[in-house]
Amino acid sequence: EVQLVESGGGLVQPGGSLRLSCAASGFTFTVYAMSWVRQAPGKGLEWVSAVSPDGGSTYYADSVQGRFTISRDNSKNTLYLQMNSLSAEDTAVYYCAKSGGRSVAGMDFWGQGTLVTVSS
Amino acid sequence: QSVLTQPPSASGTPGQRVTISCSGSSSNIGSNAVYWYQQLPGTAPKLLIYNNNQRPSGVPDRFSGSKSGTSASLAISGLQSEDEADYYCAAWHDSLNGVIFGGGTKLTVL
Repeated sequence: EVQLVESGGGLVQPGGSLRLSCAASGFTFTVYAMSWVRQAPGKGLEWVSAVSPDGGSTYYADSVQGRFTISRDNSKNTLYLQMNSLSAEDTAVYYCAKSGGRSVAGMDFWGQGTLVTVSS
Repeated sequence: QSVLTQPPSASGTPGQRVTISCSGSSSNIGSNAVYWYQQLPGTAPKLLIYNNNQRPSGVPDRFSGSKSGTSASLAISGLQSEDEADYYCAAWHDSLNGVIFGGGTKLTVL
């Protein structure tokens, strides 16, 4: 059974940093691209970032480019999102998602999400 | 403002057929596959349709997807109360080099 378990969310002050983790199990982690998708309270889905299976290629939404860094440790089956220079606009539930095939846009499994709140 | 345009709401009565549209451009839907996600209240999104019109195992055949040019549609036939959810379309955007989602459509079963 595929499982994606996010952790690391919480309350952080504006300008602060946070590192999210996503522990993956139940599939061959090294084969699939992975993404982070966020959802602000009461709002729609926003794709944040993706990383290729080997970690060699990374992709970012304009809204987080230069502030967030996605990475993965294939030896630990874990995905990460390092978030710096956080602002209130980054407040959201952050989901980890596995890509099912050729396109990163096709995310066939999602974690339960972890809430990040940016507030003073 | 989302690059993919969806109606904010849709509704239908049990047993009816409803469709949700998703309008894009040649840089996204026009050149890449479309995906649809269902998000039930308080839960994580779930993949409903992939590669424009394919259903993952376990998704009822009441759900179907189609694509024509720079637009796509999700159709739900035999509407059921448990279909009440938010629905999102998504696609890869070539010039943005990333994934874009539609703004979402809230489906109400009357």
